[in-house]
Amino acid sequence: DTEVTQTPKHLVMGMTNKKSLKCEQHMGHRAMYWYKQKAKKPPELMFVYSYEKLSINESVPSRFSPECPNSSLLNLHLHALQPEDSALYLCASSKLTVSDKELFFGEGSRLTVL
Amino acid sequence: LAKTTQPISMDSYEGQEVNITCSHNNIATNDYITWYQQFPSQGPRFIIQGYKTKVTNEVASLFIPADRKSSTLSLPRVSLSDTAVYYCLVGDKENRDDKIIFGKGTRLHILP
Repeated sequence: DTEVTQTPKHLVMGMTNKKSLKCEQHMGHRAMYWYKQKAKKPPELMFVYSYEKLSINESVPSRFSPECPNSSLLNLHLHALQPEDSALYLCASSKLTVSDKELFFGEGSRLTVL
Repeated sequence: LAKTTQPISMDSYEGQEVNITCSHNNIATNDYITWYQQFPSQGPRFIIQGYKTKVTNEVASLFIPADRKSSTLSLPRVSLSDTAVYYCLVGDKENRDDKIIFGKGTRLHILP
């Protein structure tokens, strides 16, 4: 199984809603990532988890709250978002070894904030 | 982190070989070079990775000169389905907690 599965594929939410994006991988990878991608822009790193601990937070606003319940799961909790937060949210995983840095990406969750 | 510079866009025709060059003048000794491909509304997909000289796989070749200040991704005999954005990344092979940062990428458009 070389897949990273993200749910939901599409999400529409109001600015007062609370929702979550989910990501799952069963490749035994010990690093998991959240990226945000706006149209015609490159993916922008948000968070990195290494061995289920948050290792990198790229100064992301607190209305985005990541969670890594176990080595296979990664969540992104969303609360009080703004319309400019509408984007494609990509989850990725990697082996976290010095010899192999390949990222495996999911298909993404398309978020629209009204 | 080494900064990368790629052409913003390129056009080519089906059946041609396409070479996309990435400049990374301040690449460090431990840095490796990776290329990803991304189709619209999908996550990026790993294509190839190398440290020096030439690497080839079933999809592409990666040429890295001795000074490693640039690299060239070569796609043999492209088809319409190779239309995508191609990203060149440079990262520290020795850093376990690597910030994997994407540059602006090259938008490749294959014409019939």
